[in-house]
Amino acid sequence: GAGVSQSPSNKVTEKGKDVELRCDPISGHTALYWYRQSLGQGLEFLIYFQGNSAPDKSGLPSDRFSAERTGGSVSTLTIQRTQQEDSAVYLCASSYGQLAAGYTFGSGTRLTVV
Amino acid sequence: DAKTTQPPSMDCAEGRAANLPCNHSTISGNEYVYWYRQIHSQGPQYIIHGLKNNETNEMASLIITEDRKSSTLILPHATLRDTAVYYCIVRVASGGSYIPTFGRGTSLIVHP
Repeated sequence: GAGVSQSPSNKVTEKGKDVELRCDPISGHTALYWYRQSLGQGLEFLIYFQGNSAPDKSGLPSDRFSAERTGGSVSTLTIQRTQQEDSAVYLCASSYGQLAAGYTFGSGTRLTVV
Repeated sequence: DAKTTQPPSMDCAEGRAANLPCNHSTISGNEYVYWYRQIHSQGPQYIIHGLKNNETNEMASLIITEDRKSSTLILPHATLRDTAVYYCIVRVASGGSYIPTFGRGTSLIVHP
C-alpha cells in the first residue's frame, strides 16, 4: 500500500484480556517502530525493528508487552492481561533506514481498556 | 543523540506566518533536523528536513542558523488546518540504530 496501515483503528477491551495490534509498513521499509501516546502526552517509544537484527525492546513498559515482525514486514504488538493504564493510541511508523528519509506513521490504534 | 527544546505552545492568526523555533545546541555535524506535525487523532506527518542549508517545500520552509544550534519552521500563510502539535527532532543521515524521540512538541493554534 501507499502508507502505513494499522488495524484495528479502535479497540475496546475488558481489563485482563489480551489484545493484538497489527501494523503493515510501507513495502521495502526496513525499519519499524511502535510508539504509544496517552491523552495529551508525547510519543513514548516501545520497540524498534531494523531488518533482520534483534529488535530493540528497551521501551516496553512491562513483560505484558511483546511484539514480533514476521518476514521483515507485518508487525504485531501484543498486550497480555490488559490494564486500564494501557489505554492509549498505539502508533506504528516505518522508514527506509539507510537514507535521510522521513518516518511514515500510521493513523494508530486507539485502545480503551474498561 | 542531540536533544531538542521547543516552546510548549504558540498561536498565530490565520493568513499570517507561523514561526516555530527549535533549539538543538548539542547537534553534531552529521545530524539532520526533521520537523513533523500531528493533527488531532492522526499519526505524525513528515513536513521537512535539512542539514545546514535552508530548505523549502510545498508545506513549509526550514531556516537553520549558521552554527546549526537552532532552527525555525516557517508556515508562510497559516490556515486553520495547520492547528497541530509540531515536533522537531534530530537524527543521523544513515546507518546504525536510531530511535527518534518525540517530546511534547509545540502546540500551534491558528485562530481566525
